[in-house]
Amino acid sequence: DTEVTQTPKHLVMGMTNKKSLKCEQHMGHRAMYWYKQKAKKPPELMFVYSYEKLSINESVPSRFSPECPNSSLLNLHLHALQPEDSALYLCASSQGLAESYEQYFGPGTRLTVT
Amino acid sequence: GQNIDQPTEMTATEGAIVQINCTYQTSGFNGLFWYQQHAGEAPTFLSYNVLDGLEEKGRFSSFLSRSKGYSYLLLKELQMKDSASYLCAVTDSNYQLIWGAGTKLIIKP
Repeated sequence: DTEVTQTPKHLVMGMTNKKSLKCEQHMGHRAMYWYKQKAKKPPELMFVYSYEKLSINESVPSRFSPECPNSSLLNLHLHALQPEDSALYLCASSQGLAESYEQYFGPGTRLTVT
Repeated sequence: GQNIDQPTEMTATEGAIVQINCTYQTSGFNGLFWYQQHAGEAPTFLSYNVLDGLEEKGRFSSFLSRSKGYSYLLLKELQMKDSASYLCAVTDSNYQLIWGAGTKLIIKP
């Protein structure tokens, strides 16, 4: 199984809502990532978890809150988002944080904030 | 600063060969990746280079010159399904992936 799954595929939320994005992988990967991608731009790293511990937080606003309940799951909790947060949110995983490990991406959640 | 440059867009003909270049200036270098991304979909891994030279994988090959801070992705026998964006990404000294903006490749019949 070389798949990273993400739910939901699409999400529309108001600025006062609270929602969560979910990501799952069963490849035994120990590193998991959240990226944000705007149209025609490359992915922007948000968070990295390694062995279920937050390893990198790229100065992301606190309205985005990551959580790694176990080695297979990664959540992104959303609260009080702004319209400019509308984007494709990608989850990825890799065997570890070493330089040679490619990242496997999920299909993404298309988020629209109204 | 960290900088990765790729052409914004390229056009090629079905059945032909195309070379997509990538130049980089990063704080350290621990390898270079090429990813393919179809519109509205997630990136998928194509290749990884850490040593100088050419890596061949079927119709796709990737070349690296560390001294020149340069890589290219070579696509042969182009097919319509190769229309996509191609992203170059470099692992820096902190083992973080620095992404280029991507090259949109348009294949014409």
